[in-house]
Amino acid sequence: AQSVTQLGSHVSVSEGALVLLRCNYSSSVPPYLFWYVQYPNQGLQLLLKYTSAATLVKGINGFEAEFKKSETSFHLTKPSAHMSDAAEYFCAVSTYNQGGKLIFGQGTELSVKP
Amino acid sequence: DTEVTQTPKHLVMGMTNKKSLKCEQHMGHRAMYWYKQKAKKPPELMFVYSYEKLSINESVPSRFSPECPNSSLLNLHLHALQPEDSALYLCASSQDAPQSLMAEAFFGQGTRLTVV
Repeated sequence: AQSVTQLGSHVSVSEGALVLLRCNYSSSVPPYLFWYVQYPNQGLQLLLKYTSAATLVKGINGFEAEFKKSETSFHLTKPSAHMSDAAEYFCAVSTYNQGGKLIFGQGTELSVKP
Repeated sequence: DTEVTQTPKHLVMGMTNKKSLKCEQHMGHRAMYWYKQKAKKPPELMFVYSYEKLSINESVPSRFSPECPNSSLLNLHLHALQPEDSALYLCASSQDAPQSLMAEAFFGQGTRLTVV
C-alpha cells in the first residue's frame, strides 16, 4: 500500500530563511506526488505536483520540490520564507492502482518568525 | 472559474437534526469528493463520485449520505450525527481518470460542522 511520511509536525524558520519541509513516500508503483497548503479555516490549495516529467518541479509562491526516486523523497523548499507562508503543508501520493485516491501525510505546520 | 463553492461555511446541528452540505463546481470536472478533516489532521476521504456515480465509499457510516444530482453539484446529507462527527468537511473536484491521477484536486473552503 502507498503511504507518505512527513518528517516534523512543526517547523519554525525566520523570515528570509530557507524553508525545507520533508516528505518521504512508499509505493510499489510509479507515484504521482503533490504538495498542498492549507491556511487556517481554509481548504487545501495545490502548490505543485510531480507526474513523472521533470524531477525538479516548480510551483506557486516560489516553492519547488525535487523528486528523488533513490531516496523515495519529495521535499519542498523555498529559498526565502515570508510571513505569509505560515500555514499547514500536506504531502500526498496518488497511484493508478489506488483509483487515483490521494493519500495524505500527517502534515507539517510551518511557522515564520519576524 | 477554478472555484469549488461550499455552503454553508458553518453549521451547528443537534443529534436529531437532518441537514445537508452543498458543493458546486463549474470547471467541467467529472470527479467529485467528500473529505472529513479533524483539527491538526490530514483530510480523510469519505466518498468519490465519478461521472455522477458513486465509485468509492470509504466505509462511511450510513448517517452520512452523499448525492450527486448532476455533474456540477454534490450534496452530503446528514442525519443523527454524533458529537465526534464535528469536523471540517471538504469538497473537492478533479478531472476524471485517467487524468485524475495527475490532475490536481481543487478544494472548497469547507463547512465547519459542530454537532451538539
